Amino acid sequence: EAQVTQNPRYLITVTGKKLTVTCSQNMNHEYMSWYRQDPGLGLRQIYYSMNVEVTDKGDVPEGYKVSRKEKRNFPLILESPSPNQTSLYFCASSLWRDLGTDTQYFGPGTRLTVL
Amino acid sequence: RKEVEQDPGPFNVPEGATVAFNCTYSNSASQSFFWYRQDCRKEPKLLMSVYSSGNEDGRFTAQLNRASQYISLLIRDSKLSDSATYLCVVNRAGSSYKLIFGSGTRLLVRP
Repeated sequence: EAQVTQNPRYLITVTGKKLTVTCSQNMNHEYMSWYRQDPGLGLRQIYYSMNVEVTDKGDVPEGYKVSRKEKRNFPLILESPSPNQTSLYFCASSLWRDLGTDTQYFGPGTRLTVL
Repeated sequence: RKEVEQDPGPFNVPEGATVAFNCTYSNSASQSFFWYRQDCRKEPKLLMSVYSSGNEDGRFTAQLNRASQYISLLIRDSKLSDSATYLCVVNRAGSSYKLIFGSGTRLLVRP
């Protein structure tokens, strides 16, 4: 089954404790992206990657890191989480070959709470 | 001004009704437009892309008005299962890799 998986699905942590949210897709997609969703603000892009070893900042990259060492995986790293990073996080992937007309497939989301 | 703006709703309609949502975007150079559907606390899923000539998929019709910089979604014969939040998505002008999501319009279809 074609899918994007994220782990963990739910996480409660404390300020300053490094964490990683994993994202994996089995569709051989070149493009992957991380978003956060907050009430009234919609989804905002954190980072994206157009292929292995190619990443770029989205609109809200501060406090986050990513890496793309393999095509299927795109982990999101919070080196020192803070309460303002409490949010619902989505990973997405896409072929992205035709001016953005390809479908983005989203993972099920990770609900993160930073105390 | 937000890059993509939507009326948050909720739109509360009876089954069988026709409902329309609009979404405005700020940059006239944007080229890619989509409607996504998001059920409560779930991941967004593509409902339909929006093409210049307009397009239809069953009960759903999407239109693009470049002159006024808005896209619309029309849902005919609403079903209970159409209850969801509908997200307007536009690519950031000059970058097909960056998508801007509206904050969504919530639809409630009642029996």
